[in-house]
Amino acid sequence: QKEVEQDPGPLSVPEGAIVSLNCTYSNSAFQYFMWYRQYSRKGPELLMYTYSSGNKEDGRFTAQVDKSSKYISLFIRDSQPSDSATYLCAMSVTNAGKSTFGDGTTLTVKP
Amino acid sequence: DVKVTQSSRYLVKRTGEKVFLECVQDMDHENMFWYRQDPGLGLRLIYFSYDVKMKEKGDIPEGYSVSREKKERFSLILESASTNQTSMYLCASVGDRDRLGNSPLHFGNGTRLTVT
Repeated sequence: QKEVEQDPGPLSVPEGAIVSLNCTYSNSAFQYFMWYRQYSRKGPELLMYTYSSGNKEDGRFTAQVDKSSKYISLFIRDSQPSDSATYLCAMSVTNAGKSTFGDGTTLTVKP
Repeated sequence: DVKVTQSSRYLVKRTGEKVFLECVQDMDHENMFWYRQDPGLGLRLIYFSYDVKMKEKGDIPEGYSVSREKKERFSLILESASTNQTSMYLCASVGDRDRLGNSPLHFGNGTRLTVT
């Protein structure tokens, strides 16, 4: 069983929709939780970075971490065509340490 | 902005060849990583390094080695390329916390390697 499982997708939504992306994990030692966005033919880039449980908001993006359930989510409000990309969840035990990634969810936002 | 540069975007090699993938970062980061990315398998860690001349195996090190002679450069070596090493290879670096208190991975744009 993988340490990190991500909802596989693909997801296709109309512009303006609320998108929910989810990951579960099995390693209770994970303390740092990240979401990366990857456009086609590019490397992943950081979207959200969270330590321990709780919510974090940045513009249209909200990251939630529930360590008791070993579940993390990324919400995108008012989705735009420019949000079309692959979203990867990642987790690490230590800050700046090695990260374990989910398989990614490909999102398409249709105008 | 941190820049991680991978020397080749596309590479085609023959089975049995020795292959070098080069990665350079310009932010004096201590930690560097090599991942491969395959459809349905996500990013898997091959090797990482926390300092010059130091290396540690990741989750799938078989068939690979690495070299870190200088802090800014981390090379991935395929000793004898095989077709199952056809993949997208991503290099990343991470340093101290940034101004937001985060320590995210900074990725290059990847090298797509095809072994025939």
